[in-house]
Amino acid sequence: NAGVTQTPKFQVLKTGQSMTLQCAQDMNHNSMYWYRQDPGMGLRLIYYSASEGTTDKGEVPNGYNVSRLNKREFSLRLESAAPSQTSVYFCASSSGEAGRGEQYFGPGTRLTVT
Amino acid sequence: GNSVTQMEGPVTLSEEAFLTINCTYTATGYPSLFWYVQYPGEGLQLLLKATKADDKGSNKGFEATYRKETTSFHLEKGSVQVSDSAVYFCALSQGGSEKLVFGKGMKLTVNP
Repeated sequence: NAGVTQTPKFQVLKTGQSMTLQCAQDMNHNSMYWYRQDPGMGLRLIYYSASEGTTDKGEVPNGYNVSRLNKREFSLRLESAAPSQTSVYFCASSSGEAGRGEQYFGPGTRLTVT
Repeated sequence: GNSVTQMEGPVTLSEEAFLTINCTYTATGYPSLFWYVQYPGEGLQLLLKATKADDKGSNKGFEATYRKETTSFHLEKGSVQVSDSAVYFCALSQGGSEKLVFGKGMKLTVNP
């Protein structure tokens, strides 16, 4: 059982370049999330999708866009990368059953913007 | 708004030492509380949770009790192992939502 998969694992971009981070889950979960992890900041929610066809902003959405392609896949796009977007990005999913709260995380993508 | 405050460390312990990681929260009503663990090079995984006051979550020798009177959810383990070396995050969710609010995380290193 693969769980939550993310591609790529590592990426280096130059300022102004664009890229899309891919995420897929095979647990038939309704909800999916994108976080960024920075030293001393914990995890901060960028965007989430409560169900297929819906997306909402989280705490730090500026500079990012998302697409919930289908129930399995949730992608994060950086249109014009900036050094401040250097971070580790995690995708997560959850069942969508209120009150359960358990999220399943992918292994992360380490992004460096020079 | 909702927030979580936890010990940030880093903390280094010897094997078999007692571990406490403090976590307090600010929220209205009755949030659900969680401890997540992140082993080196991996994503986060749920360690334990509690959904109402006085509940005790436990897993892998770790325990935490939901204390509404002190708005706390401290993580404890009686005897740590080298394999417990990781970053530990306290988190909450509220209002029927599965969105999580995380503390900043605490890095624990256990030496043999």
